[in-house]
Amino acid sequence: GQNIDQPTEMTATEGAIVQINCTYQTSGFNGLFWYQQHAGEAPTFLSYNVLDGLEEKGRFSSFLSRSKGYSYLLLKELQMKDSASYLCAPMDSNYQLIWGAGTKLIIKP
Amino acid sequence: GAVVSQHPSWVICKSGTSVKIECRSLDFQATTMFWYRQFPKQSLMLMATSNEGSKATYEQGVEKDKFLINHASLTLSTLTVTSAHPEDSSFYICSARERETGNQPQHFGDGTRLSIL
Repeated sequence: GQNIDQPTEMTATEGAIVQINCTYQTSGFNGLFWYQQHAGEAPTFLSYNVLDGLEEKGRFSSFLSRSKGYSYLLLKELQMKDSASYLCAPMDSNYQLIWGAGTKLIIKP
Repeated sequence: GAVVSQHPSWVICKSGTSVKIECRSLDFQATTMFWYRQFPKQSLMLMATSNEGSKATYEQGVEKDKFLINHASLTLSTLTVTSAHPEDSSFYICSARERETGNQPQHFGDGTRLSIL
């Protein structure tokens, strides 16, 4: 079956760094997406990895290891507005995104 | 770029009413659009995949006669919740993927919060 595993909730301090891990199992693989979803809002696209390694985009970086079925999202210089849920969504062989419940990130001053 | 507009944002209506939700890609052509439903504190649940000019593909357990999807053009898909009941109250979100290759990100509309009284 298809499965995603992320921590349910994480807490971090403003200005700090946090890493959100994701392990996945899918039928085939066509890359992995990270989305941010603020409470009561629709998800917004953050990053896409299809090859192994680190993709950096400003304060956010995403890493992928296909052999391990593992990805992480790294957020630097945390700001209060980063409080949101972060969704790891791998794409299967049919180009369908597989969604988990995401990780709720709480930023404290 | 890649803006998706969803309308309306909020709907409150009586039980038995049919509700139509529109999803438009404003600055790109979307061969494929997706309709999701999300209950509070739960993950996104894919309801159906909509391809321009063809019938939508519904996920298991989603009633096609209750959730009518029309994808009439490369920039517009509509979801009609027919004879809505309180249990249909949820957050409905559409997304669109640009044409060309399949491994493009899905861009989401702002969602429609549906409350059936």
